[in-house]
Amino acid sequence: SQTIHQWPATLVQPVGSPLSLECTVEGTSNPNLYWYRQAAGRGLQLLFYSVGIGQISSEVPQNLSASRPQDRQFILSSKKLLLSDSGFYLCAWSVPGLASSTDTQYFGPGTRLTVL
Amino acid sequence: KQEVTQIPAALSVPEGENLVLNCSFTDSAIYNLQWFRQDPGKGLTSLLLIQSSQREQTSGRLNASLDKSSGRSTLYIAASQPGDSATYLCAVLDYKLSFGAGTTVTVRA
Repeated sequence: SQTIHQWPATLVQPVGSPLSLECTVEGTSNPNLYWYRQAAGRGLQLLFYSVGIGQISSEVPQNLSASRPQDRQFILSSKKLLLSDSGFYLCAWSVPGLASSTDTQYFGPGTRLTVL
Repeated sequence: KQEVTQIPAALSVPEGENLVLNCSFTDSAIYNLQWFRQDPGKGLTSLLLIQSSQREQTSGRLNASLDKSSGRSTLYIAASQPGDSATYLCAVLDYKLSFGAGTTVTVRA
């Protein structure tokens, strides 16, 4: 069966510090991978998605970047965090294929990021 | 740009009452619509997925309807239980998943 992991679970970082959040998927090959952010009181916002190694699409201009160094690894990074980067970050995967797959997306447990 | 709205933002009901959660979206050109459950500080659990060609889906006490032409979906939860307390999110898929802000449900014992 497939599982998705995210770490760390919680993170408190000062403004201006770097960020690296990691997501890994087990039990499937070449999944579509997604990073979402959920700010307080708001819906989830798609940040990045990837259909393959090194292939990253950005949905929203921001202070963040994403990388996919391995087939089942997706990393969210920032060089300098802003207060507005605080939120709950979720990674998700879906079956291989087009990003418009009609199949469901499966979400990880999330990372709670607080920028002070 | 797809906009997804969920009403109400919060709902509190006594145990046993039926729940009705509403979701509306602005662009009807979607592949599917999903309802998710989110417990505090946790990831999302998919509850029901309705393909664009379908009118409804059922799973146990949950039933979701889809009226694509009017841009609406409703999630019904029958005979609510305290364990149903959570935030329920609606999401539509066109070329990406667009989420509503959610309805936070509290079921009082």
